[in-house]
Amino acid sequence: GAGVSQSPSNKVTEKGKDVELRCDPISGHTALYWYRQSLGQGLEFLIYFQGNSAPDKSGLPSDRFSAERTGGSVSTLTIQRTQQEDSAVYLCASSLAYRAENSPLHFGNGTRLTVT
Amino acid sequence: KQEVTQIPAALSVPEGENLVLNCSFTDSAIYNLQWFRQDPGKGLTSLLLIQSSQREQTSGRLNASLDKSSGRSTLYIAASQPGDSATYLCAALGGTSYGKLTFGQGTILTVHP
Repeated sequence: GAGVSQSPSNKVTEKGKDVELRCDPISGHTALYWYRQSLGQGLEFLIYFQGNSAPDKSGLPSDRFSAERTGGSVSTLTIQRTQQEDSAVYLCASSLAYRAENSPLHFGNGTRLTVT
Repeated sequence: KQEVTQIPAALSVPEGENLVLNCSFTDSAIYNLQWFRQDPGKGLTSLLLIQSSQREQTSGRLNASLDKSSGRSTLYIAASQPGDSATYLCAALGGTSYGKLTFGQGTILTVHP
């Protein structure tokens, strides 16, 4: 079946512009995560959604970052007034159930964001 | 705060060798330990998931073990092949990170013919 889909695959933007990154999780997956992977860095947690519960935003690096998940499915990560340090690969993942012991995360191929 | 460390950072082996990748974590109160593979320019592919109550999981030539008390996990790859070349990441779910998956920095594996 279809995996996690992210769009666009690549995005180049000028410093100060806003960008929106989209994630379509696997159908039926209630948990959705956003991670960031910078060159030479590990994966940095940003935010996760579980069903209709309030999202855990504790990993968002600044108030320029926000995310929403509409109808418990598609999620959009928005970065306002982009800075060069925002350049990274943004990865989305979904799983059947948050914190369930036997639910692996399934990742999309990511969006490579370059801020010039 | 959960911290995950992987050793070695990089590994180069000839085809056919058996190898072990190491992962350690600081908070043993985890829900599970997951191993992923990442190919260049791609997302992560789930390889194995070991629940907190389990000690090991096997899939084909891969075997992952978990020792919660010592905060360690290992990924064993038997009879390595050039197609196994990739970055391998381990991640711990739970502990003081309240259900977030905390990743190690990864091991870059190169298997040469």
